[in-house]
Amino acid sequence: GAVVSQHPSRVICKSGTSVKIECRSLDFQATTMFWYRQFPKKSLMLMATSNEGSKATYEQGVEKDKFLINHASLTLSTLTVTSAHPEDSSFYICSARSSGSPEQYFGPGTRLTVT
Amino acid sequence: GIQVEQSPPDLILQEGANSTLRCNFSDSVNNLQWFHQNPWGQLINLFYIPSGTKQNGRLSATTVATERYSLLYISSSQTTDSGVYFCAVAGGADGLTFGKGTHLIIQP
Repeated sequence: GAVVSQHPSRVICKSGTSVKIECRSLDFQATTMFWYRQFPKKSLMLMATSNEGSKATYEQGVEKDKFLINHASLTLSTLTVTSAHPEDSSFYICSARSSGSPEQYFGPGTRLTVT
Repeated sequence: GIQVEQSPPDLILQEGANSTLRCNFSDSVNNLQWFHQNPWGQLINLFYIPSGTKQNGRLSATTVATERYSLLYISSSQTTDSGVYFCAVAGGADGLTFGKGTHLIIQP
């Protein structure tokens, strides 16, 4: 149980275009989903928290207009990187938790490369 | 925000050895999780352990919440145990704050 999927696993896009990443909880209802970013050989940094049906809460320094987050259902959250630039290249990982526990379950991650 | 420190940053051991990884945190938490990140980047949940002691096979963990630290024990290490181990904590229903990780290499 507690499986989280992400799609795509890997994406390459041109500078200036937008990319959408999906995060799904497959076998539980995720009242809260989180988006993290990881640079090579570094730790994970929380970008934003989204509760189903509400606007996302962004961490300090994360541009909400660049990283659009939607959590329209209890099993799906999306992260859209708008007008991507090479510095947005990174590993993006989502996690999800149910209302019953603080424990988070992570997706396999999406490696974004902006050329 | 909460600060998380992990030690050691790097650890090289021979197969069969035991190891102890430490996680110190700066404030009270209601969520503490240990993860193993595999070479493909997937975070594998090892333990959800905001307090107390748990065991799962060769792995066990102890969190002493009053003293703000947690320990992850790996016994009889195998080469497949290699990778990065992260400790992450949160207060309330917040997102996790991760430590910098311990990079473990198990040599045959």
